[in-house]
Amino acid sequence: EDQVTQSPEALRLQEGESSSLNCSYTVSGLRGLFWYRQDPGKGPEFLFTLYSAGEEKEKERLKATLTKKESFLHITAPKPEDSATYLCAVQAGGSTLGRLYFGRGTQLTVWP
Amino acid sequence: ETGVTQTPRHLVMGMTNKKSLKCEQHLGHNAMYWYKQSAKKPLELMFVYNFKEQTENNSVPSRFSPECPNSSHLFLHLHTLQPEDSALYLCASSQGGTEDYTFGSGTRLTVV
Repeated sequence: EDQVTQSPEALRLQEGESSSLNCSYTVSGLRGLFWYRQDPGKGPEFLFTLYSAGEEKEKERLKATLTKKESFLHITAPKPEDSATYLCAVQAGGSTLGRLYFGRGTQLTVWP
Repeated sequence: ETGVTQTPRHLVMGMTNKKSLKCEQHLGHNAMYWYKQSAKKPLELMFVYNFKEQTENNSVPSRFSPECPNSSHLFLHLHTLQPEDSALYLCASSQGGTEDYTFGSGTRLTVV
């Protein structure tokens, strides 16, 4: 059973059309929630870490928020270069070093 | 070189072959990891090394054999693989208990 669920599985946006990606999790005692961007044929690239409900972080057109059950990655006025797969991962309290639970990702396509 | 470097980028091997994947990190981190990424599946943690000591083996078949000679280098020795082992193998590193994971670009493995 997946402990991290991302939705939608795929999202197509027109350039400039803002939207949000969702990451819901069921682990107890969250130690951290991570967002990564992955381009085809490459490894995940770190975007954000969130640690507690109510926390928000921003980077260019991206803004990540966290509640007790889910996180959102808001994309404002996206550009074609934002096209990628966005991965969410969580680390649970008491888990061993390196034990991140990943979602399956949301594949974002932004067309001109 | 900077970051996490993985070689080779692509590998095609027969089921009876023996090959090795290499990972090198230039970040001064003390923990290194192997992850497996299969199509339509979440990233799966395979092995964790902390200060050269293996601290986790996530029920990985013995046909995968990791080696960590020092904190900067990590190998994954492969033998008698199955076609279902075809995947993207990602190496990552972090500084101890921090969750600042940096991933390499991965090795795309195809078993024929």
